[in-house]
Amino acid sequence: NAGVMQNPRHLVRRRGQEARLRCSPMKGHSHVYWYRQLPEEGLKFMVYLQKENIIDESGMPKERFSAEFPKEGPSILRIQQVVRGDSAAYFCASSPEPGQGGTQYFGPGTRLLVL
Amino acid sequence: AQTVTQSQPEMSVQEAETVTLSCTYDTSESDYYLFWYKQPPSRQMILVIRQEAYKQQNATENRFSVNFQKAAKSFSLKISDSQLGDAAMYFCAYRENDMRFGAGTRLTVKP
Repeated sequence: NAGVMQNPRHLVRRRGQEARLRCSPMKGHSHVYWYRQLPEEGLKFMVYLQKENIIDESGMPKERFSAEFPKEGPSILRIQQVVRGDSAAYFCASSPEPGQGGTQYFGPGTRLLVL
Repeated sequence: AQTVTQSQPEMSVQEAETVTLSCTYDTSESDYYLFWYKQPPSRQMILVIRQEAYKQQNATENRFSVNFQKAAKSFSLKISDSQLGDAAMYFCAYRENDMRFGAGTRLTVKP
């Protein structure tokens, strides 16, 4: 059973470009979470999605950032018009249980570098 | 708002010795979950141990155990017989709905 998969593992963008980060949850998991980790810091929650629904986006910046988890295919975190401050590691996690309590299993992360 | 505090930015332990990493959290809820994750240099987040708040018994996983003090809102991680491979960043996390992480403790293991 493959774990959570994220791609690309490394992404380099110039300021103003778009970044698309993909996450495929573990088989059987229908809940996906995105986190951002700045250097030397802990993970910060961004958004929680179920299939075709955003459940909680309280941690996501209101502008330039969007997330989706379509009925078919991976979850996508999209960052438009990237700035240098967007450089970070972005982790996706998935869980099998609805909402509370379930352990979240993390992917290997995508390291975004904005030049 | 739930906050998670790890007061030790760095810790060091001699190989084969025992080390305890501290974590406190703030919540008004009674039902929640606590986790310790390990992040080695590869930066993969690896679940170490999990504790349900409604359980009084402290969770254990081989050389890893927790001291969960619900009234004090404390959740420390004890690593026994430390190994070189235990060297990593350790993050304490609280989950009621979404997951909140502490800032991490960098553990160094000396041979």
